[in-house]
This record gives sequence, C-alpha cells and structure tokens, in this order.
Amino acid sequence: GQNIDQPTEMTATEGAIVQINCTYQTSGFNGLFWYQQHAGEAPTFLSYNVLDGLEEKGRFSSFLSRSKGYSYLLLKELQMKDSASYLCAVRANTNAGKSTFGDGTTLTVKP
Amino acid sequence: GAVVSQHPSRVICKSGTSVKIECRSLDFQATTMFWYRQFPKQSLMLMATSNEGSKATYEQGVEKDKFLINHASLTLSTLTVTSAHPEDSSFYICSARDIFGNSPLHFGNGTRLTVT
Repeated sequence: GQNIDQPTEMTATEGAIVQINCTYQTSGFNGLFWYQQHAGEAPTFLSYNVLDGLEEKGRFSSFLSRSKGYSYLLLKELQMKDSASYLCAVRANTNAGKSTFGDGTTLTVKP
Repeated sequence: GAVVSQHPSRVICKSGTSVKIECRSLDFQATTMFWYRQFPKQSLMLMATSNEGSKATYEQGVEKDKFLINHASLTLSTLTVTSAHPEDSSFYICSARDIFGNSPLHFGNGTRLTVT
C-alpha cells in the first residue's frame, strides 16, 4: 500500500516563497505528482518527478528524493491566486498505474 | 492539451433513484480511467479503476453493485450511482491518462451530487 503525508495548512505572504513537503511510503513507486485544487474545482496538474532532483517550471519547482521518500513543491513570487489546496500523489508501479493522493495542503496567501 | 469532459457538473436527485455520470477523453484515447470521490475538505479517494473492454477494479470498501462502472470505448467511461442515499452526496471526479507511461492524470471538472 501507500502512505502519503503532507502538512494540513500553510500560510505565506504575497511575493514570498513557500515550500510544501510530502513524504511517502510505497510498495512500488512510479512517479510523484503535484496537483493544485481550488475549492469546488477539479485538480490541475502542476509537476511530475520520477527521478531524483529538481524540476523547474516557471514559478513552480518540485524536488524528489526516492531514497528518502521525500518531495517538496516550491512556489516562488506568491500571488493571491495561489491560495488553494496542493495535493501530492504517488503513482503505483502497476499496469494500471493508479495514483494515491495525500490529504492535501491548504495554502493561504495573505497580502 | 489533453482534455477530459465530465457531466453533469451538478445533479440533485431523490433518495432511491440512480444517477449516471459520464467521463469522456476528448483528444486522446484512454484505456484506463479512474473514478475518485471527494468529501468536503478531504482528499481524493480512489473508488475504482475503469478498464476499457473489461470489468472495473474496485478499491476495498467500495460496493461494485452500488457504483456501476462501464468503459465501453477508449474515450468514454460511465459511473452509475444506484439507489442513491444522502450519504452518497459527494464530489465525484473522473480522470484519465493517455497511453504514454509517464503522463499525468487529466481530470474532469467533477460532478457535485446531492441526494435529498
């Protein structure tokens, strides 16, 4: 099975940088994804890591360490619209490749 | 980019009736689709994996006779909530992945089901 942990809530200031951590335990690993979800909406894809290291995409970066079962999502130059829930998801190493989601981190960006 | 269409977006039904939710991949073929349920302020819980041309795989605790899944083509999967009860009220979201191994899930916009 899979066990995914991430902080429940975080608060940051507009223009700042915030790091959202995710730790996981899995019997079979085939990639880690970060999604953003605004209230009442479906999740949208942010980033994907399958190898160790940092993936950068604009204001968002994601890091993975497979040996530590650890990832983080880094958001730079925070904007008010970044207030949302951020979901860490781990894909299983099976034919179906189903993903298990963490409980999400609710980020509140304040002026 | 890849688009997944889900409808209806909202449905209100009476207790005991059945509701069908459709999930379509619009510009790619999806041999596998996933159905999730999300209660307020909780994460997405995988209900079942929908496989084109074969039976769906249900997660532990999900009643297959209550949540009927049909994946008749490479672009369409349906979830039918049979004999709905108020406790089935939730946000149901489908997702699909194209045939390339490491592509992310693309989500439909979700269906808000309210059973009265």
